[in-house]
Amino acid sequence: AQSVAQPEDQVNVAEGNPLTVKCTYSVSGNPYLFWYVQYPNRGLQFLLKYITGDNLVKGSYGFEAEFNKSQTSFHLKKPSALVSDSALYFCAVRAPSTGTASKLTFGTGTRLQVTL
Amino acid sequence: GAGVSQSPSNKVTEKGKDVELRCDPISGHTALYWYRQSLGQGLEFLIYFQGNSAPDKSGLPSDRFSAERTGGSVSTLTIQRTQQEDSAVYLCASSLASGGTVEQFFGPGTRLTVL
Repeated sequence: AQSVAQPEDQVNVAEGNPLTVKCTYSVSGNPYLFWYVQYPNRGLQFLLKYITGDNLVKGSYGFEAEFNKSQTSFHLKKPSALVSDSALYFCAVRAPSTGTASKLTFGTGTRLQVTL
Repeated sequence: GAGVSQSPSNKVTEKGKDVELRCDPISGHTALYWYRQSLGQGLEFLIYFQGNSAPDKSGLPSDRFSAERTGGSVSTLTIQRTQQEDSAVYLCASSLASGGTVEQFFGPGTRLTVL
């Protein structure tokens, strides 16, 4: 069975500082990995995904994530945080097969708080 | 174009009542998913529809939960004899296909409160 772990319930960072939101996964075979962001009272918005190729993936709003196969990690990063980045971030994994495996398995989420 | 829409945005019901939650996916999206988001937990997969194929119901927590998708578009999630533990935000998502590389687009959710 596939699973995702987000070890930090909350990450606090000052505006202008770099941020990292951690994610590790477990899946059979090569994973498809996703990051979503949820702003208050909103649905989830897609940020970026890793399918294959370059381990560093760039996404929306200046976010990027690095796929590390040996450490089974897919940490979300941003060089300079903004207060408006404050939200709930979810990492998700999907096994690379069709049918029932098309569902995403999500982590429990990490709340990012960016302060002035 | 319009995104995924869900209705109602909020639903308060009494224990034992039935509720119906509606999802309108993005036009042309063949795959539709329901998830449940409980306080302090991640998103829990409930059910998945792809075209005319039989739905994947493996995530439904009990036989009180059911869902249908009419005409390959609108979907309704029904919870019968609601319990307090059913209180959560129910999220619907759709995607162009069911392939593993395709991202899902989420609606704003329906917040269900069972008193």
